[in-house]
Amino acid sequence: GAGVSQSPSNKVTEKGKDVELRCDPISGHTALYWYRQSLGQGLEFLIYFQGNSAPDKSGLPSDRFSAERTGGSVSTLTIQRTQQEDSAVYLCASSLVKATGELFFGEGSRLTVL
Amino acid sequence: GIQVEQSPPDLILQEGANSTLRCNFSDSVNNLQWFHQNPWGQLINLFYIPSGTKQNGRLSATTVATERYSLLYISSSQTTDSGVYFCAVGHTGTASKLTFGTGTRLQVTL
Repeated sequence: GAGVSQSPSNKVTEKGKDVELRCDPISGHTALYWYRQSLGQGLEFLIYFQGNSAPDKSGLPSDRFSAERTGGSVSTLTIQRTQQEDSAVYLCASSLVKATGELFFGEGSRLTVL
Repeated sequence: GIQVEQSPPDLILQEGANSTLRCNFSDSVNNLQWFHQNPWGQLINLFYIPSGTKQNGRLSATTVATERYSLLYISSSQTTDSGVYFCAVGHTGTASKLTFGTGTRLQVTL
């Protein structure tokens, strides 16, 4: 596609429910990143995928968070048993060159946990 | 991990003024990017600049990697420049992720 596409743009859920957030990177981009931005804060790295290599999961805050990338393209970030502190904007980015290329961000998925 | 500090944290300018935003980082990097987050939350990549100087219209950036800082210059500011400017760096050896600074919030007034 023309840009990084994320869905849903907004998600309101109840504490304890599971949520899935989707990212469709720019066509041909081999690297895909998930970041989290809490209200008024900077960006917190969550996970990085590059081609067929094992993902860098070092930023995932707990085992309730997981992500997968199917076929080297679309990625899904799953949060199980959501907590109120999970409320944030979840941003996906992709880049063409392994780890050193310019990042292009989607518009984000705003998650609100009640 | 690598620390990224941006200054000033907040900046208010009148339209037409110039400004310099600074990004200091605590260790060697092989990746440095500047982003603008508009008031609607969209992050736009401004520069990929691990070293040297680049210019794009009214914006330019300089990174002095040996001294561990980067500068973003905004000339003849416009109201559309308002938003938050982030510096993000990739640390040599952990190049898979960018560490973001806390940003500089810029407001350009008429």
